[in-house]
Amino acid sequence: QQQVKQSPQSLIVQKGGISIINCAYENTAFDYFPWYQQFPGKGPALLIAIRPDVSEKKEGRFTISFNKSAKQFSLHIMDSQPGDSATYFCAASVGGGGNKLTFGTGTQLKVEL
Amino acid sequence: EAQVTQNPRYLITVTGKKLTVTCSQNMNHEYMSWYRQDPGLGLRQIYYSMNVEVTDKGDVPEGYKVSRKEKRNFPLILESPSPNQTSLYFCASSLTRTGGEQYFGPGTRLTVT
Repeated sequence: QQQVKQSPQSLIVQKGGISIINCAYENTAFDYFPWYQQFPGKGPALLIAIRPDVSEKKEGRFTISFNKSAKQFSLHIMDSQPGDSATYFCAASVGGGGNKLTFGTGTQLKVEL
Repeated sequence: EAQVTQNPRYLITVTGKKLTVTCSQNMNHEYMSWYRQDPGLGLRQIYYSMNVEVTDKGDVPEGYKVSRKEKRNFPLILESPSPNQTSLYFCASSLTRTGGEQYFGPGTRLTVT
């Protein structure tokens, strides 16, 4: 049973465009929602994270939108750049960022010139 | 440099031949865990450790063992590998279970024939 569902599986965006990746979760005990970025041959690295007491968090070109009632959260990448091409994973955990992460299945993003 | 290291990075072995993948972190983190990454499944936790001599099962522990004799090291042991354990493995660490983010190692690609 996939507790965190992620879509789309792959995404192609033009340089300068907006990339949007969506996730939905089932476990209402989740209280920490990070996004990880993974480049080929590397381990995942934390990109941005949010807790359910806020509806949006922005860091530079990256924004998380969070809808607690719908149990959904999304990652928006503004002004997408070729260097953003990577695999993105949403995740969720109970009790904070150090605890077991339940991952989505990943989205392979390609930003074209 | 703060980091999580894994060895080996690549390993091809045969069914039934015991192997160990090492993981070490230099950040004095209490919490360490192992994940496996498979296409279409994202990352799933295998085992975790909250501190020295304290380990517990994650979501997919069958066929794996771990030990935590020192704070910095958390080896993953496959006593009798099988082809369904062919995967990409990541070690991760965080300051505590509830605090901070998880830092991932570079990954170990294991093929069992």
